[in-house]
Amino acid sequence: QSALTQPPSASGSPGQSVTISCTGTSSDVGGYNYVSWYQQHPGKAPKVMIYEVSKRPAGVPDRFSGSKSGNTASLTVSGLQAEDEADYYCSSYAGSNNLVFGGGTKLTVL
Amino acid sequence: QVQLQESGPGLVKASETLSLTCTVSDGSISSYYWSWIRQPPGKGLEWIGYIYNSGSTNYNASLKSRVTISVDTSKNQFSLKLSSVTAADTAVYYCARGRALGIWGQGTMVTVSS
Repeated sequence: QSALTQPPSASGSPGQSVTISCTGTSSDVGGYNYVSWYQQHPGKAPKVMIYEVSKRPAGVPDRFSGSKSGNTASLTVSGLQAEDEADYYCSSYAGSNNLVFGGGTKLTVL
Repeated sequence: QVQLQESGPGLVKASETLSLTCTVSDGSISSYYWSWIRQPPGKGLEWIGYIYNSGSTNYNASLKSRVTISVDTSKNQFSLKLSSVTAADTAVYYCARGRALGIWGQGTMVTVSS
């Protein structure tokens, strides 16, 4: 399976909103509602921020939201804060018990 | 709160087998999907595979011929073996729980030396 496509970088000023896309195919993102998003700060393990397209685990601020349209999933971070600066990765179930990640997006808070 | 901890050699010689263990604390390993993921230095995440139902496995097709994931329920551990390693297998290796990878270990760096 091929990696999902994410923009290499995204940026926004504090308080603004930014959206990161994750494009796959009908065999992964478009075919299942099992898209997750992970936040990774330098030197740290990833942390799940969104699962099953739009669900937030306990403790994740509601500034983080997820959605999907066709073969593209999106993560929106509203009210950007300095601590949101990190790498973000999407993943999707890809059928036959396979999982595929996106290449990652570096989010910069200006 | 469930915690995961990876352990194993930090240095492996090329052509040999990389072996890592993930110990699950404060939770049973007898349910959930248990995954291995790796991240080469400066690069993105790559799913290696998972074990579920205490024995069924599924692997990334690109690594399938070299990967074995197993579980030891008596020790609450699951393990990764990656054979015939090369420099391209140098990475931080993470273990994680669940199909949504909701809980991660801190990761362990493995370097393949020639």
